[in-house]
Amino acid sequence: DAKTTQPPSMDCAEGRAANLPCNHSTISGNEYVYWYRQIHSQGPQYIIHGLKNNETNEMASLIITEDRKSSTLILPHATLRDTAVYYCIVRPIISNDYKLSFGAGTTVTVRA
Amino acid sequence: GAGVSQTPSNKVTEKGKYVELRCDPISGHTALYWYRQSLGQGPEFLIYFQGTGAADDSGLPNDRFFAVRPEGSVSTLKIQRTERGDSAVYLCASSTPMGLAGNEQFFGPGTRLTVL
Repeated sequence: DAKTTQPPSMDCAEGRAANLPCNHSTISGNEYVYWYRQIHSQGPQYIIHGLKNNETNEMASLIITEDRKSSTLILPHATLRDTAVYYCIVRPIISNDYKLSFGAGTTVTVRA
Repeated sequence: GAGVSQTPSNKVTEKGKYVELRCDPISGHTALYWYRQSLGQGPEFLIYFQGTGAADDSGLPNDRFFAVRPEGSVSTLKIQRTERGDSAVYLCASSTPMGLAGNEQFFGPGTRLTVL
C-alpha cells in the first residue's frame, strides 16, 4: 500500500525551476515528508525533509500544504546534473520504523 | 570525509554459487541498512543493524540471504545458492543512531550482482 503518489516522469528546462509534486493524503500527524534522489548508477541521496513548515536548504525547497496531504519539492534553478529519479517518502517522527519505503519515484529529465 | 563504500562494484556469478557483498559504513555510524534495487524500481529494504545486532531482518526474501556485522562497523551480505532472480543492485546505507527521525541515511554506490 503506497503512502505517496508521484508522477512517473517530468521534463524541465535547464535554468528554470523544477516543481515536483507528491501526494500523501493518508499522512499522519507524527510523520515527516522526506525527499531523496538517485542519479543514474549512484545510491540515493538525501535532499530535504519537513513536518509542516516549509523548509529550504542549499539543494531545494519543500512546500507542504496546510492540510499536509501533499507537498512540492522545488529545485530553484535546475541543472543537467539534477537529472535523476526523485523519491518522496513518508516516515514516522519517533522512528521505530527506520526503513525507507521507496516507491517508483519521479524520473526528472533536465534538458538544455 | 569518506562516504559509504561497497565492494565489489560489480559481481557476476553463476546460478547456484555463493557470493559475499561488503559494506564499509561512515565512521561512527552505528546504524547500517541493506536495500536491494531491481531494474526500474525503487530500493527495497532488506535488513537493519544497530551496532552488531540485526534489529530487523524482515526484508530478507528467504533463508538464502544472511548478513553479519561482527564488530559493529563493516557488514557483509551473504547469498547462498544464487538464483537468476537475485540479480539486482544491492545498496548499503548508514546513519547516526536511530531515534528521532531526521537522521538521514547515507548510501553507498551499490554492488551490481548479475547471476547467469
